[in-house]
Amino acid sequence: DAGVIQSPRHEVTEMGQEVTLRCKPISGHNSLFWYRQTMMRGLELLIYFNNNVPIDDSGMPEDRFSAKMPNASFSTLKIQPSEPRDSAVYFCASSLQSNSPLHFGNGTRLTVT
Amino acid sequence: RKEVEQDPGPFNVPEGATVAFNCTYSNSASQSFFWYRQDCRKEPKLLMSVYSSGNEDGRFTAQLNRASQYISLLIRDSKLSDSATYLCVVNTLSTGQNFVFGPGTRLSVLP
Repeated sequence: DAGVIQSPRHEVTEMGQEVTLRCKPISGHNSLFWYRQTMMRGLELLIYFNNNVPIDDSGMPEDRFSAKMPNASFSTLKIQPSEPRDSAVYFCASSLQSNSPLHFGNGTRLTVT
Repeated sequence: RKEVEQDPGPFNVPEGATVAFNCTYSNSASQSFFWYRQDCRKEPKLLMSVYSSGNEDGRFTAQLNRASQYISLLIRDSKLSDSATYLCVVNTLSTGQNFVFGPGTRLSVLP
């Protein structure tokens, strides 16, 4: 079975540029999560969707960050404009139902110079 | 106080040793609990769910103490391949679906 698929695996961009991260959850999973991981702050929940609807976006750092889930098989996380402090690994995860464990994608390693 | 706390380690143990990690959580309404393992530069992977009665999977045993709000993971007969960071995860359904990760405990199993 295909797991959670994220793209790109690595992204290097200059400050001020727009960055779009993509995620395809496991088929049949109805919840999708975006996390950010840094050495200093560990894994932080940015936003999660249930049945394509954003439920909690309180972890989104600021207005430069936005996330969408136009259908059950695709989500994007966009940063515009990007800043060096956004450099981190961004993980997407999905779960089958509310009490089920998360399954993570391979992550996108973002470097903003 | 952080929602989920773990001793960051590192725990350096010889092969074959038994090692235990604890994790405490602050929200008494938390309802489901998990241990994840994360290798360097990789994604977290589910190690095991933690059930109220405690559960075992091979060399791994997980326990939950709701009264004291802590979760434990015991690894017996540790292998070199067990070297990783172990993340405690707590889900509080009453506030929506919110998986909160602990900072992780680093384990190094030495030959």
